[in-house]
Amino acid sequence: DAGVIQSPRHEVTEMGQEVTLRCKPISGHDYLFWYRQTMMRGLELLIYFNNNVPIDDSGMPEDRFSAKMPNASFSTLKIQPSEPRDSAVYFCASSRQPTGELFFGEGSRLTVL
Amino acid sequence: DQQVKQNSPSLSVQEGRISILNCDYTNSMFDYFLWYKKYPAEGPTFLISISSIKDKNEDGRFTVFLNKSAKHLSLHIVPSQPGDSAVYFCAAMARGGADGLTFGKGTHLIIQP
Repeated sequence: DAGVIQSPRHEVTEMGQEVTLRCKPISGHDYLFWYRQTMMRGLELLIYFNNNVPIDDSGMPEDRFSAKMPNASFSTLKIQPSEPRDSAVYFCASSRQPTGELFFGEGSRLTVL
Repeated sequence: DQQVKQNSPSLSVQEGRISILNCDYTNSMFDYFLWYKKYPAEGPTFLISISSIKDKNEDGRFTVFLNKSAKHLSLHIVPSQPGDSAVYFCAAMARGGADGLTFGKGTHLIIQP
């Protein structure tokens, strides 16, 4: 079975540009999570969806960040405009239920110059 | 404010010896705890978990201990092997999982030959 698929794996952009990160969860998983990893803060939950509906977006840093899940097999995390402090690895994860094991993608490493 | 704390950024252990990774939490609502392992350029993968109704869970070389009164858990790896070199994240969840998983910053375990 395919795991969680994220794209792009690496993104280098200039400050002020729009960034879109994509995620395809594992088929049959009803929960999708977006995490951000930085050295200072470790893994932070940004937002999660249940059956394509955003449940908790309290971790989204500010209005520059937005996430959508138009269907069960696709989600996007958008940053507009991007800033250097957004540089991090962004992980998408999915699961069958909110408790227990999350399956992570390989991450998207974002560098904002 | 970190609700899940891993106070050792790194740990070096000789091959064949025991590795002990520690984790403390502050939120008394947490009742389910997990450890994830992460290799470079990969997403975290689930390793082992424990519910608050237990104080120990064992899976092969990996054992997790939970001390609820101290709000402390630890992961023991015996014997340590070179392939165990990775970053280990402690994670916690409140009952029902409505807030998702809260992760610590991780401990980089290095197994010395």
